[in-house]
Order: sequence, then structure tokens, then C-alpha cells
Amino acid sequence: DADVTQTPRNRITKTGKRIMLECSQTKGHDRMYWYRQDPGLGLRLIYYSFDVKDINKGEISDGYSVSRQAQAKFSLSLESAIPNQTALYFCATSDLERGELFFGSGTQLSVL
Amino acid sequence: AQTVTQSQPEMSVQEAETVTLSCTYDTSESDYYLFWYKQPPSRQMILVIRQEAYKQQNATENRFSVNFQKAAKSFSLKISDSQLGDAAMYFCAWPNSGGYQKVTFGIGTKLQVIP
Repeated sequence: DADVTQTPRNRITKTGKRIMLECSQTKGHDRMYWYRQDPGLGLRLIYYSFDVKDINKGEISDGYSVSRQAQAKFSLSLESAIPNQTALYFCATSDLERGELFFGSGTQLSVL
Repeated sequence: AQTVTQSQPEMSVQEAETVTLSCTYDTSESDYYLFWYKQPPSRQMILVIRQEAYKQQNATENRFSVNFQKAAKSFSLKISDSQLGDAAMYFCAWPNSGGYQKVTFGIGTKLQVIP
């Protein structure tokens, strides 16, 4: 079983719809992240959370919100999706000691 | 701003040959980690290699090694004996230290392996 699980794997939606991407992890890490990947731009940080009560904006948080329901769950919402939010979204967790990120398999979101 | 720069959007290498992907970064920190991640067509992000800045010895993982030049803020990835399965996007990444790990990624280098 995957250590970091994202659902759905792919999603097509229409402009103006509310969308939630979900992430759960079994690694026991406190730190969780949401990244967005666009061609030619690499991965950019949307939100990050260092524990259930600590949530922080990343470099591109406008148009997004998050919820940390438990240590193991971190969801990303698009309240009113727009076409330029079409991208590949990754959830990740972090190992504090080694610093590396562990990624989910990604959600490809298309907003029409 | 603390940034990571990959100046080679695409590269190609013959199978069994060696290729080097470049990465430079900008930081005022003295203690940090550096990473290379691989993203094959399956889109999964896979850690290739990790370097600790306080270590002078370059990290090595099988056919993958780094050339870490701390003073020059350079962190290149060398792939020896390239294989078809090495074809992927490669991202250099650097997490802020000081207790807050916001990892910054370069824009990536797309590596093609020619049979």
C-alpha cells in the first residue's frame, strides 16, 4: 500500500465548481504539503502544515484553501475552479530528520 | 529570495554514456540539504540522491553521484552508464533550514536517453 495516498488520480471539472483533493498518509509524519506542478515552472508550494493546528500559506495560495483533519489527512480545496488551475497536484509529507519529501502519486486536474 | 536554478530545460544522452545535469542555488544558510528528484512518465516523484551541506564528501547512489561545490552554490547530478529507464524529468530541490522545511524546486531538466 502507498504511504501517501491522493484521491482522485484524475479529475475533470467545469469553471466555477468546488473541488476537493484529498491526501492521507501512513508515514506518521507531522509535516504535510500541497504542491502544484506546471510545465516549465517546476513544483510550487500552495500550502503546508507542520501539525494539525499549524497551517501556512505557500507561494501560490490564492484561490485555494486547505484543511488538516488529522495528523494523517490534509485536503486541498478549490472553492471556485478556474481554467488556470489546471495542473498536476501533489501532496507530500516530510521526514524532519532527513528533510526529504515523500510524494503521493498526484492528481491531474483539468478545469474546462 | 532563496532560489534554485536549473539552466538546461532538456538534455539527451546515449545509452551507456554519462550525463551531467546542472543546478545552482542561492542561500544564506550554512547548514542544509540538497536533493535530486526524478519524475518518470508515470509522474511519480522519486528521490534520487540527497546531499548534506556540511559534508564535504559528494553523495553517491549506485550510478548516480553529485558534484557539490558549496562555495559556488552548485549541485550537479551525474548519471553514469545511462539506461533507458533513466529517461525522466529531473528536479533539483532545496529545503529551507532553520526548522521550517519549505522545499523549493527548480523548473526541471527533461532527460532523453537514446538507444
